[in-house]
Amino acid sequence: KQEVTQIPAALSVPEGENLVLNCSFTDSAIYNLQWFRQDPGKGLTSLLLIQSSQREQTSGRLNASLDKSSGRSTLYIAASQPGDSATYLCAVRLSGYSTLTFGKGTMLLVSP
Amino acid sequence: EPEVTQTPSHQVTQMGQEVILRCVPISNHLYFYWYRQILGQKVEFLVSFYNNEISEKSEIFDDQFSVERPDGSNFTLKIRSTKLEDSAMYFCASSGTGTADTQYFGPGTRLTVL
Repeated sequence: KQEVTQIPAALSVPEGENLVLNCSFTDSAIYNLQWFRQDPGKGLTSLLLIQSSQREQTSGRLNASLDKSSGRSTLYIAASQPGDSATYLCAVRLSGYSTLTFGKGTMLLVSP
Repeated sequence: EPEVTQTPSHQVTQMGQEVILRCVPISNHLYFYWYRQILGQKVEFLVSFYNNEISEKSEIFDDQFSVERPDGSNFTLKIRSTKLEDSAMYFCASSGTGTADTQYFGPGTRLTVL
């Protein structure tokens, strides 16, 4: 059974810092990996999707990398802003399945 | 930009009552999903739906749950006899034409069972 772990569980940084969020998964036979943002009491906003054949994806100040063999992904946020404060979720899709398995998330607080 | 919508945003019901949660997926998407998130816990998969039938379901999705696409736009989740432990945020999601596609999530329906 696929398990997804995210470290750290919470992170507090001052505005302007570059930061890295970590995601690890136990079964490396993944089809793709998706990073989401969740604001309190709200839905999930898709940030980036990385296919298993890709090493990284970039969108604006966000860069996600994938090392399938070691079961790890990182989300790099450059020049963090207070508006980045949210919970960031990592989810993986196993090959042959359509479902996403989620981690518990990293709660990020960026202070001005 | 197209988005997934869900109604109602919040539903309060008594234990044992039936509830129907409604979703309008993105219009040209073919794959539909329901997930739930109990407060403070991970988002969990419930069921996926493609070509008018269930393609996958989790062990959570037992006989008290059912899904339906009653017309060309709506996708519903029915819980026949709600239990206290069904209290959660329920998210609908949709994706396009293949398993490689991004899943887009709706804003969720908060279900409270009293």
